[in-house]
Amino acid sequence: DTEVTQTPKHLVMGMTNKKSLKCEQHMGHRAMYWYKQKAKKPPELMFVYSYEKLSINESVPSRFSPECPNSSLLNLHLHALQPEDSALYLCASSQLGTGQETQYFGPGTRLLVL
Amino acid sequence: GENVEQHPSTLSVQEGDSAVIKCTYSDSASNYFPWYKQELGKRPQLIIDIRSNVGEKKDQRIAVTLNKTAKHFSLHITETQPEDSAVYFCAASRNTGFQKLVFGTGTRLLVSP
Repeated sequence: DTEVTQTPKHLVMGMTNKKSLKCEQHMGHRAMYWYKQKAKKPPELMFVYSYEKLSINESVPSRFSPECPNSSLLNLHLHALQPEDSALYLCASSQLGTGQETQYFGPGTRLLVL
Repeated sequence: GENVEQHPSTLSVQEGDSAVIKCTYSDSASNYFPWYKQELGKRPQLIIDIRSNVGEKKDQRIAVTLNKTAKHFSLHITETQPEDSAVYFCAASRNTGFQKLVFGTGTRLLVSP
């Protein structure tokens, strides 16, 4: 299995809602990533987990809260988002420390904040 | 921090022509340079990558070259086909165990039949 999966595919939420994005991989990767991608822009790194511990937080607002419950799962909890947070949220995973740290991306969750 | 510039922003070619996309990076410690293809509404997919100990890598119609001295790397696509039409992103990172990729701004490639 060489695939990263993400749910849901699409999400519409109001500014007062709480929702979660989910990401799963079964490639034995120990690094997992959240990216945000606006239209016609490159992916922007938000968070990196290595060995289930948060390694990088790229100064992301606290209304985004990541969680890595185990080595296969990555969540992104959303609360009190703003319309400008509407974007494609991509999850990725990679090996760690093997010299083969290719990142594999999931299909993304397209988020619309009203 | 790392900064990656990518040119051109758009590239239109006729089917069968070659296409070249160029990137420059700022951090001399960067040692991993992947290229991703992203079709409309789809995930970025790795098409080729190169590490700093290699100057060139080829995979069928796709090749990447790296000039460490000049800090630039290029993607070459030969015999382009309409299905090559997509946005291509270059990226650079240091090897810190995981990859903190910094992406270029992207090139929209259009291959006309």
